[in-house]
Amino acid sequence: EVQLVESGGVLVQPGESLRLSCAASGFTLSTFWMTWVRQAPGKGPEWVANIKQDGSVKYYVDSVKGRFTISRDNPKNSLYLQMSSLRAEDTAIYYCARLTTDAYGYYHLDVWGKGTTVTVS
Amino acid sequence: QTVVTQEPSFSVSPGATATLTCGLNSGSVSSSHHPSWYQQTPGQAPRTLIYSINTRSSGVPDRFSGSILGNKAALTITGAQADDESDYYCLLYMGSGIWVFGGGTKLTVL
Repeated sequence: EVQLVESGGVLVQPGESLRLSCAASGFTLSTFWMTWVRQAPGKGPEWVANIKQDGSVKYYVDSVKGRFTISRDNPKNSLYLQMSSLRAEDTAIYYCARLTTDAYGYYHLDVWGKGTTVTVS
Repeated sequence: QTVVTQEPSFSVSPGATATLTCGLNSGSVSSSHHPSWYQQTPGQAPRTLIYSINTRSSGVPDRFSGSILGNKAALTITGAQADDESDYYCLLYMGSGIWVFGGGTKLTVL
């Protein structure tokens, strides 16, 4: 079964750091772009970051640039999000998701984890 | 700043058709935006519904369809059912590696 399981979400104080993990199973992580998406309480999802298959290319939403770092360890089938200088507005459920492409080259998020909750207070 | 626009709420009667849209505050949505649609019920992770404009994800009922209508992406639910009552989000690719979700539409079936 294709599955993503996030972990690492906790309650932290403003300014602190935290690392989220996402364990992938049922597929070969190294063949997919991967994504972090977050959802603040009562709000819609927000794309946070993407990382290429080999980790050589990374993209971030402006609000986390310089504070968050996406990374991956393909042999360990794991995706990470290192978060620093956390702010109250970073409070959210953080989902990892697989970014895949169809036969025509159109990308979309096709597999989602259940999320892990980060509270900054 | 690019904003992806969706109707905040939409009501549909059971058995009727609902068309939800996904637009841009500047410009038109096209296939180059890789439009996709996600359904979310409270307490659950989003579920992929439609990608590549009009391809249904595995297990999605055929009453859900996608298209480009005018200058927007559209999600059409033909013959809405009570369990379609959810939040619906579109996702667009803005180029340069940047993706943006729409603000979402809360669909009510009554």
